[in-house]
Amino acid sequence: EAGVTQFPSHSVIEKGQTVTLRCDPISGHDNLYWYRRVMGKEIKFLLHFVKESKQDESGMPNNRFLAERTGGTYSTLKVQPAELEDSGVYFCASSQYRETVFGQGTRLTVV
Amino acid sequence: SQQGEEDPQALSIQEGENATMNCSYKTSINNLQWYRQNSGRGLVHLILIRSNEREKHSGRLRVTLDTSKKSSSLLITASRAADTASYFCATDEDDYKLSFGAGTTVTVRA
Repeated sequence: EAGVTQFPSHSVIEKGQTVTLRCDPISGHDNLYWYRRVMGKEIKFLLHFVKESKQDESGMPNNRFLAERTGGTYSTLKVQPAELEDSGVYFCASSQYRETVFGQGTRLTVV
Repeated sequence: SQQGEEDPQALSIQEGENATMNCSYKTSINNLQWYRQNSGRGLVHLILIRSNEREKHSGRLRVTLDTSKKSSSLLITASRAADTASYFCATDEDDYKLSFGAGTTVTVRA
């Protein structure tokens, strides 16, 4: 069974540019989450989809971040415009019951 | 809000030794999970312990859970260089949403 897949694995962009991260959850998983770890700190929740609906987006830092999950399948997280403090590792995860499976993460560096 | 907090923040041990790290949390939970992140890689799920369980084993890993003290411990026995990583506990704050601590960085010296 394929796991949670994230693209790209690394991204280096300049401040002010736009970046879109993609996540393909495990097939059949209704729940999809975005988390991020900034500057070696704790991993923080960003938002939660149940199928195509945003269940909880309380962790989204500001309106420069936009997440979508078209058709309840893959999800994208767009950062526009990117700021230096957005650098970090962005994790996507999916779950159907108790165990949450994480992807490899996208390491975003804003310079 | 940060739910799980790991202790110690960093741990350096010799290969073959055991490594123990602790996690404390604040509110009641359904489950507690431990994850590992190797440098530059993603989060790997290690073990899940339910709130009605007290101890669980998986290979060289042993997890305990004390809901009365709101704490959990992860023991790695006979450590190997490949165990060098950051370890996180995660609690289910609201249904499926996980709350992580800052993690314990474990370095296993050859």
